[in-house]
Amino acid sequence: QQPVQSPQAVILREGEDAVINCSSSKALYSVHWYRQKHGEAPVFLMILLKGGEQKGHDKISASFNEKKQQSSLYLTASQLSYSGTYFCGALINSGNTPLVFGKGTRLSVIA
Amino acid sequence: GAVVSQHPSWVICKSGTSVKIECRSLDFQATTMFWYRQFPKQSLMLMATSNEGSKATYEQGVEKDKFLINHASLTLSTLTVTSAHPEDSSFYICSALSSLRDRDTEAFFGQGTRLTVV
Repeated sequence: QQPVQSPQAVILREGEDAVINCSSSKALYSVHWYRQKHGEAPVFLMILLKGGEQKGHDKISASFNEKKQQSSLYLTASQLSYSGTYFCGALINSGNTPLVFGKGTRLSVIA
Repeated sequence: GAVVSQHPSWVICKSGTSVKIECRSLDFQATTMFWYRQFPKQSLMLMATSNEGSKATYEQGVEKDKFLINHASLTLSTLTVTSAHPEDSSFYICSALSSLRDRDTEAFFGQGTRLTVV
């Protein structure tokens, strides 16, 4: 079942913060976050596996709630290079099952 | 980290012809690969799961006779779009899961293939 992402789109000025949410009706094995620029393949940002986990690098971080049904991606002090479409991908188990992607959140950072 | 290579990056073909897209795992073995399709401004939608040495499994609504998948080795899966039509124009991308040492299961993507049928 496809995870639900919100918001669908957001426009930020450089330096502003944003939060993108990804929700599932069932507990997940892991959540993967990707950013995709127009015409390019998705680029891996990070993976969250454990309930209650939080991780990040630079000014992009993410959390996975205790019940493992919701993840949020946090973008702080946004830069122009953050523009793109962000997808969360959900794995329901650790076997050879595919990532199921949300519909994406289109982020535009303007000067 | 693990690398998945997809070829070609883009292709333009005439309506009615067939196009083959290759997906290779360069430094790991992938018994399973996944093929996605992405239309403009939409999400990646799973088309099929490619299993090494056995038949692919297709998602509902995806024609198996039109989108032929072959996974003959542990490092190569191919997707052939047969008798392509303009509505098949899309971005096709493959993915494989890998559990690298000391790391969680992660999905690696090829570079994607932009198919334009004219």
